Amino acid sequence: DGGITQSPKYLFRKEGQNVTLSCEQNLNHDAMYWYRQDPGQGLRLIYYSQIVNDFQKGDIAEGYSVSREKKESFPLTVTSAQKNPTAFYLCASSRGGHYGYTFGSGTRLTVV
Amino acid sequence: DQQVKQNSPSLSVQEGRISILNCDYTNSMFDYFLWYKKYPAEGPTFLISISSIKDKNEDGRFTVFLNKSAKHLSLHIVPSQPGDSAVYFCAASDFRTSGTYKYIFGTGTRLKVLA
Repeated sequence: DGGITQSPKYLFRKEGQNVTLSCEQNLNHDAMYWYRQDPGQGLRLIYYSQIVNDFQKGDIAEGYSVSREKKESFPLTVTSAQKNPTAFYLCASSRGGHYGYTFGSGTRLTVV
Repeated sequence: DQQVKQNSPSLSVQEGRISILNCDYTNSMFDYFLWYKKYPAEGPTFLISISSIKDKNEDGRFTVFLNKSAKHLSLHIVPSQPGDSAVYFCAASDFRTSGTYKYIFGTGTRLKVLA
């Protein structure tokens, strides 16, 4: 059963700590994306990757980092430099063209 | 600078009636538009799409209309059902200028269908 998996579903982090959110897909999609959702602000693009070993900054990349060493995986690290990390994070993948995205179920990160 | 705007944060509709969700955009280079539906604590799911070369696309109860001159698209749901209660996002991409299929999302409209 193909899909995209984000883990964990809920994550708590102490201020000043880095944390990595996992995103794995078995859809054989080339492109992967990270979005952040905040109340009243829709989905904002953090980073995206169109092929393995390549990625580009989105609109709000400051304080985040990513890697794309495997086609199936696109982890997102929220660093201590991110000023407001508490949010709902969504990972998505796409086979390219105008097929839209398949989204994961999201990770809710809370900084305590 | 919000390139894709959904000016109505919420909408309530009676079951069986039509729901109309609106979306405005500023970038005339957008060439493809999508609508997504999202339930709380879940990822969005794809609903329907439309290319800029069309002005209407229909899929069952869902129809999307595109008015390029007004830079406006709308999603019609007929008839509305309680299970349609969710947040709806419109999204747009401009492959012709960006060379990528990354989408810019609106802020969402929360639809509530009353039984």
